[in-house]
Order: sequence, then structure tokens, then C-alpha cells
Amino acid sequence: ETGVTQTPRHLVMGMTNKKSLKCEQHLGHNAMYWYKQSAKKPLELMFVYNFKEQTENNSVPSRFSPECPNSSHLFLHLHTLQPEDSALYLCASSPENTEAFFGQGTRLTVV
Amino acid sequence: GEDVEQSLFLSVREGDSSVINCTYTDSSSTYLYWYKQEPGAGLQLLTYIFSNMDMKQDQRLTVLLNKKDKHLSLRIADTQTGDSAIYFCAEKDNAGNMLTFGGGTRLMVKP
Repeated sequence: ETGVTQTPRHLVMGMTNKKSLKCEQHLGHNAMYWYKQSAKKPLELMFVYNFKEQTENNSVPSRFSPECPNSSHLFLHLHTLQPEDSALYLCASSPENTEAFFGQGTRLTVV
Repeated sequence: GEDVEQSLFLSVREGDSSVINCTYTDSSSTYLYWYKQEPGAGLQLLTYIFSNMDMKQDQRLTVLLNKKDKHLSLRIADTQTGDSAIYFCAEKDNAGNMLTFGGGTRLMVKP
């Protein structure tokens, strides 16, 4: 248990659906991240938030929309996804300049 | 940009030592990490080493860092079937707090 909680653990959605992934940490960390893990590909950093401000967007399509309402919560809003977006989405948080703590991930399947 | 490389697969017998290797290109790396991912789970931090160290030991785990060759290794002594997982190395540079991950090495431990 790392202290980073992601919900839901599993999600199956159609291409026309809208859903949101949630990440929560009460570790007092200032930075939060979304990563995408697909089969046969390295971990891909999607978004970085520092002190609730987005500091990195790694050319992620606009059908993924992050939101960081406070330093403990991070959301990833999903709409009109494609089957190739099926992956494990990992949230992480870190204090400044040290290791990242990961959540268990949300296994997303787009049908 | 930064690049982190790992071999894809390693198979060992229970009780043997496992050595997982990683190379990286960023000479400004400050911390280097090893994460473990079990099936269906997020990434669990195993250990890390600061770039001014060349070795760190933590129970069955030994991390060796050759900064000149930009080579990092993780040795697991007395490997157990419960060690079967994917192992990721990651590096963090001193410019920010983002991690660059390798593609992961799948360790299979045979009884």
C-alpha cells in the first residue's frame, strides 16, 4: 500500500462514453502524475501537476483531460476514446525531487 | 531526449541470484530507481540510489551504479518465486521531478 489510491480499478467503456479516473493521495506530496502503460510499450508520462498547476503535457490527445482541483486529488476525464487507448493508467505522486509513489492503476478497456 | 534501456526478459531458478541491467543516457541524473510491478498492480518502489553512490545494499537487493558507463544493475540474492514480476529502472534528472522509465524486464523464477 503506497498511499496513492486510484478508482476505479477496472473500467470498460464504449467509444461514445464519458468517464473519469480518480487519484487521491494524503501524503502531502506536491507533484502528481498520470502515466499510461500499454502492452509492449514503455511507460508514457502523460501529465504532471506541481502545486496544482499543470507543468507537463506530453502531446496527449485532447480526448484526455486532466484536472487537479487540489493537491490531494487528480482526475483524468475521458471522452470519445479509441480502442487503442485501452491500457493501464497509473497515477503517481511525489514530494519534491524524490521518488514517486504509484497507485494500483486503472485497467481501461475501450470497446 | 533521455533514454533508459533494459533487456526484456530474464529467467532464473529459485535460489539463484538474478541480475537485471539498465543503461541510461542522461548524465545529469540525480536519482536512479528500481520499481517492481506484479500482475494487475501498480509500480512498487523497491530501492533507489543517489548518483554519487556506487553501491547500495538492502537485504536481498544490491544496486550497483557505474556512472561513467551510465549502467545500473539490480541483484536479487536467493531469488524466490514471489520475485517474479516486471522490474523497471527509472532515472530522475536535476532539472525537475519527472522520471524516465525503461521498458521493464520481466523476471521469471522457476521452481
